[in-house]
Amino acid sequence: DVVMTQSPLSLPVTLGQPASISCRSNQSLIHSNGNTYLTWFHQRPGQSPRRLIYKVSNRDSGVPDRFSGSGSGTDFTLKISWVEAEDVGVYYCMQGTHGPPLFGGGTKVEIK
Amino acid sequence: EVHLVDSGGGLVQPGGSLRLSCGASGFIFRRYWMAWLRHAPEKGPEWLANIHPDGSETNYVDSVKGRFTISRDNAKNLVFLQMNNLRAEDTAVYYCARDPEYGAMDVWGQGTTVTVAS
Repeated sequence: DVVMTQSPLSLPVTLGQPASISCRSNQSLIHSNGNTYLTWFHQRPGQSPRRLIYKVSNRDSGVPDRFSGSGSGTDFTLKISWVEAEDVGVYYCMQGTHGPPLFGGGTKVEIK
Repeated sequence: EVHLVDSGGGLVQPGGSLRLSCGASGFIFRRYWMAWLRHAPEKGPEWLANIHPDGSETNYVDSVKGRFTISRDNAKNLVFLQMNNLRAEDTAVYYCARDPEYGAMDVWGQGTTVTVAS
């Protein structure tokens, strides 16, 4: 079975400073069709999750370009070039390559 | 504007049933896979089930197989989740979502709360 591991669990950040979240899977997320179905979501308290990044590095419409996704195989990263107050909340990675989509445990971003 | 509205949640006793509904607008509903997910307190989101655009195929996570059934009505732009034999561990906020490919849900409903307790 696929296991998705995110780190850190909690990420205190200073406004204007960069932040980075890691997501690792225990098996390659490269699908037989050549695509890698690794998605990043952001959830603010009391709100539904919002998709930020799909297929590793494709940013959704309306997502600020300070957000970027990278990685390959089993190792992926979400980077925020500079953190703004609206970026607080929990970030989840999710794989869709193998069987039922599976989320990582989440990383809570808060302002120091 | 693309929009999903979840409804049907509530308080139910263990062993009881609920039917959740999700209404879609702003996109060609019959062209998309649709999914249901849930988010329990202190846990990460959990994908539960999805359904093919024409309803011909459904998939479920093991934890709900045999108890939950996903269905859709393309004439009315609705997707449903019938939940039977509910357990305390099914308590969560339930979301429907549009699934353009391989679980990369790009549109989510606002969520509806299900509480299973006696």
